[in-house]
Formats: sequence, structure tokens, C-alpha cells
Amino acid sequence: GQSLEQPSEVTAVEGAIVQINCTYQTSGFYGLSWYQQHDGGAPTFLSYNALDGLEETGRFSSFLSRSDSYGYLLLQELQMKDSASYFCAVQPRGGGNKLTFGTGTQLKVEL
Amino acid sequence: GAGVSQSPSNKVTEKGKDVELRCDPISGHTALYWYRQRLGQGLEFLIYFQGNSAPDKSGLPSDRFSAERTGESVSTLTIQRTQQEDSAVYLCASSLAPDTGELFFGEGSRLTVL
Repeated sequence: GQSLEQPSEVTAVEGAIVQINCTYQTSGFYGLSWYQQHDGGAPTFLSYNALDGLEETGRFSSFLSRSDSYGYLLLQELQMKDSASYFCAVQPRGGGNKLTFGTGTQLKVEL
Repeated sequence: GAGVSQSPSNKVTEKGKDVELRCDPISGHTALYWYRQRLGQGLEFLIYFQGNSAPDKSGLPSDRFSAERTGESVSTLTIQRTQQEDSAVYLCASSLAPDTGELFFGEGSRLTVL
């Protein structure tokens, strides 16, 4: 099975850089995804790592290290609108996009 | 449609009643998923439909839960004899390609069982 752990809360100031970690125990997977969810809203896709290393998409970057069973989402130039919950998710082998989600991290951006 | 559409957006029901939740995926998306999200928690997989293959029902929590999908279109999640622990937001998602890690979610149906 899969188990993904994230910090429950992270607080940072506007303009700063923040890293949200995701550690996992899984028997094998295709890739690691990240989703953002504002209160009461739908989760929206941010990034996907199929290979080890860094993927950059604008202000957001995501990193995966399979050897360390670890990934992270990096948010740069934080804005107030980035206050939301962030979830990592693994895509199991042979399971299509049947994702297993992490516990979620609530990011609070302060002035 | 432009996005995944779910209805109703909110449903309040009494314990023991049956409820049906509807999901209309993005046109052309072959895969459809149902997830449950309890307040302040992560997303819990329920069921997955891929084309005409048999659905993956491995996440359904009990036999009170069932889901159907007609071809590659609308899906209905049915909860029979609802219990208070069924109170949650039920999220539907669809995807075009099976192995991209990218799901498109609807806004969800918030179910409250009194």
C-alpha cells in the first residue's frame, strides 16, 4: 500500500519562499503529483514528477527523489492567494490515475 | 462541458435515507474517479471507471456505497441507508490520459447526514 506524510501546517510571509515536504512509504509508483485546494473549492493540479529531479512551472517547482522516498513542492514569491491546502499524491503502477493522496498541508501566507 | 460538473452541490438528509450524487465529466475524458473528503482531511479514493473496463471498486467503504457510469459520460454515486459518518464532500474527477498524474476535479457535493 501507500502512505504519504506531510506537515499539517506551514506559515510564511508574502514574497518569501516556502517548501512543503512529502515523505512516502510505497511499494512502487509511476509519479508524484501536487494539488492545491482553496477552502470549499476543488483540488487543482499543480505539478507532476515522473522522474527524479526538479520540475518547474512558473512560481511553483516540484522535486522527487525515489532513493530518499521524498518529494517537495517549492513555492516562490508567495502571494496571499497561495493560502490554501496542498496535497501530494502518488500514481500507482498499473492504476491509471487512481491517485493516493497525502494528509495535506495548510499553507498560511501572512503580510 | 468546460469542466467537471457535480450535483447537488449541497445535500442534507436524514440518517437512513438513500442519496444519489451525480457527476458529469469533461467531454472526451475516458477515466472517472470518485473521492471522499471529510472535513479537514485528505482525499480518500472510492471508485475508478476507465472506459468500458470493469470499475475498480477497491475504495468503497461498505456495500451501502455503489456507483455506475454510462459509457464515458455521467456517473452516479449512490449511498444507501446513510449514516452520520457518511457526512463529507464527495469529489468527482476525470482525466483524459491514464498516466499523467493529472485529475480534473469538480466542486464536489457536500453531504450532511443528520
